[in-house]
Amino acid sequence: ELKVEQNPLFLSMQEGKNYTIYCNYSTTSDRLYWYRQDPGKSLESLFVLLSNGAVKQEGRLMASLDTKARLSTLHITAAVHDLSATYFCAVDIHSLYSGGGADGLTFGKGTHLIIQP
Amino acid sequence: DTGVSQDPRHKITKRGQNVTFRCDPISEHNRLYWYRQTLGQGPEFLTYFQNEAQLEKSRLLSDRFSAERPKGSFSTLEIQRTEQGDSAMYLCASSLTGVVYEQYFGPGTRLTVT
Repeated sequence: ELKVEQNPLFLSMQEGKNYTIYCNYSTTSDRLYWYRQDPGKSLESLFVLLSNGAVKQEGRLMASLDTKARLSTLHITAAVHDLSATYFCAVDIHSLYSGGGADGLTFGKGTHLIIQP
Repeated sequence: DTGVSQDPRHKITKRGQNVTFRCDPISEHNRLYWYRQTLGQGPEFLTYFQNEAQLEKSRLLSDRFSAERPKGSFSTLEIQRTEQGDSAMYLCASSLTGVVYEQYFGPGTRLTVT
C-alpha cells in the first residue's frame, strides 16, 4: 500500500523567512503533484513533477523531486502572509514509461502553514 | 473557461436517507475522479471514469456508494442509507489522459448527516 508522509504537519513562520516542506512516499513513482488548499475551499494545482530531478518554480515556491530517495520538497522563499494555506503532495504510482496514469492520487495529510506578519 | 463544477455545494440529510451529488468536469477532459476529504486529512480517492467507463471502483468505501457517468460527460455519486460517518467533503476532479494527468478539482459538496 502506498503511503505518503508530509512533514511538518503544522508550521508557523514569520514573513520573510525561508522554509521547506518534505514529502516522502513509500513506493516507486515518477509523477508527483503539489496542491494548495485555502480554508473551506477546494484544491488548487501548484506543480506537476515528472521524473527524477524535476524542479519547478512559481514565485516564492519551488518544488523538486528525487525519485531515488522517494522524496519531494516544497521550498518557500521569503514567505509572505498570502502563502498561508494547507499544502498537499500527492503521488501517482504509475510510471511515466509504462503508460497509463492517475487511477487516483494518494495524498499526504497536508502541511498547515501559517505565516505571521 | 469554466472549471469543474459540483452541485449541490452543501447538503444536510438525516441518517438513513439517500443522497446524490453531481459533478460537471472541464468540457474537454475525458477522465473524472471522485474523492472524499474529512477534516484535517488529505483527499481520499474513491473512483474514477475514463469517458463513460468506470475503471476503478474497489476503493469505494462500501456498497452503499455508487457512481455513474452515463454519457461520458457529467457524473453522479450516490450514497444510500447515509450514516453519520459519511459526513465529509466530496470532491470531484477531472483531467486529460496523456503524460501529465494533472487533476483539476471542483469546489466540493459538503455533506452533513444528522
